[in-house]
Amino acid sequence: SQTIHQWPATLVQPVGSPLSLECTVEGTSNPNLYWYRQAAGRGLQLLFYSVGIGQISSEVPQNLSASRPQDRQFILSSKKLLLSDSGFYLCAWSFGVNYGYTFGSGTRLTVV
Amino acid sequence: GQQLNQSPQSMFIQEGEDVSMNCTSSSIFNTWLWYKQDPGEGPVLLIALYKAGELTSNGRLTAQFGITRKDSFLNISASIPSDVGIYFCAGRGYGGSQGNLIFGKGTKLSVKP
Repeated sequence: SQTIHQWPATLVQPVGSPLSLECTVEGTSNPNLYWYRQAAGRGLQLLFYSVGIGQISSEVPQNLSASRPQDRQFILSSKKLLLSDSGFYLCAWSFGVNYGYTFGSGTRLTVV
Repeated sequence: GQQLNQSPQSMFIQEGEDVSMNCTSSSIFNTWLWYKQDPGEGPVLLIALYKAGELTSNGRLTAQFGITRKDSFLNISASIPSDVGIYFCAGRGYGGSQGNLIFGKGTKLSVKP
């Protein structure tokens, strides 16, 4: 069976510091991968998605970037965090365009 | 672009009551999904619908893919305290960004024992 791992679970970072959140999927190959941000426990905002290694699509211009160095690894990064980057970050995967998404357990990021 | 309206935004009900929430889209969808998110966790898929008119149940939950393909509803019967959480609808239309799902803004459900 497939599993998705996301870490860390919580993170407190000062403004201006770098960020690296990691997401890995096990039990499948060539998944579609997604990064979402959720503010204030409500709507899900798609940040990035990837359909293959090195292929990253950005949905919203951000202070963030994403990379997919390996087939089942998706990384969300920032060189300098802003206060507005605080939120709940969710990684998700799917088999492809006709399937639902499976979400990770999320990372609560607080920028102070 | 495609938009998805989910209502109500929040519900505060008594244990044992039935719950109904719905989503409507501005365009035709070929897939409707319903997720539940517990506090501090990622959303979990409850029900997936792939055909217009399809009615699917998962325990006390029932969801339907509207005939017009522009709406879907989720019903929860005889609510219990563990039903508390945020429920998201999600849909996929034709075209768009590689068929990515579009999510509603969620319905926050509170259940009073």
